[in-house]
Amino acid sequence: AQSVTQLDSQVPVFEEAPVELRCNYSSSVSVYLFWYVQYPNQGLQLLLKYLSGSTLVKGINGFEAEFNKSQTSFHLRKPSVHISDTAEYFCAVSPSGGSYIPTFGRGTSLIVHP
Amino acid sequence: DTGVSQDPRHKITKRGQNVTFRCDPISEHNRLYWYRQTLGQGPEFLTYFQNEAQLEKSRLLSDRFSAERPKGSFSTLEIQRTEQGDSAMYLCASSLNTGSYNEQFFGPGTRLTVL
Repeated sequence: AQSVTQLDSQVPVFEEAPVELRCNYSSSVSVYLFWYVQYPNQGLQLLLKYLSGSTLVKGINGFEAEFNKSQTSFHLRKPSVHISDTAEYFCAVSPSGGSYIPTFGRGTSLIVHP
Repeated sequence: DTGVSQDPRHKITKRGQNVTFRCDPISEHNRLYWYRQTLGQGPEFLTYFQNEAQLEKSRLLSDRFSAERPKGSFSTLEIQRTEQGDSAMYLCASSLNTGSYNEQFFGPGTRLTVL
């Protein structure tokens, strides 16, 4: 079984400032890692994923994340946020085989102020 | 628009009534997933289909819940004798299974409110 902990329920930040959303996971098997974004009243959109290879993963909208196996973390970063980045962000982990069913964290609400 | 669609987008019902939701996946996708998302939580897996076969069901899927995908295309999720605790967003996703990981594409969800 896998579990995901998103350490911050809400992260306020000013426009053009950098941001980091934290995610830690636990699993007894090899995993894939994901970050999704959800805008109000919409479904989830995949921002980026780590399957294998380079531990620094780049995604859409200027986001990136780094897989740290020793710390079991997969933190999401953006060097300069925009108002339009205001949304809910979910970290997820899935087994690296079988059904690939993801387990999601509780989410972090990113609030970008002008 | 060739994305995943769900109908209705919103449903308000009284406790004890039955409700049914529909999901239309991306046309060539053979896997279809249902999730439930309650306020302040991430999505929780309910069940998934490969073509018309229901391959896995979560413990969250009580006897009052039933899902079908009769022709391997659209799917329905029915909740019988709704309870206030069923109030949530119900998300559908689809993917093309090729034996390795393939991205799940999510629909906009159906928000259920049980009064």
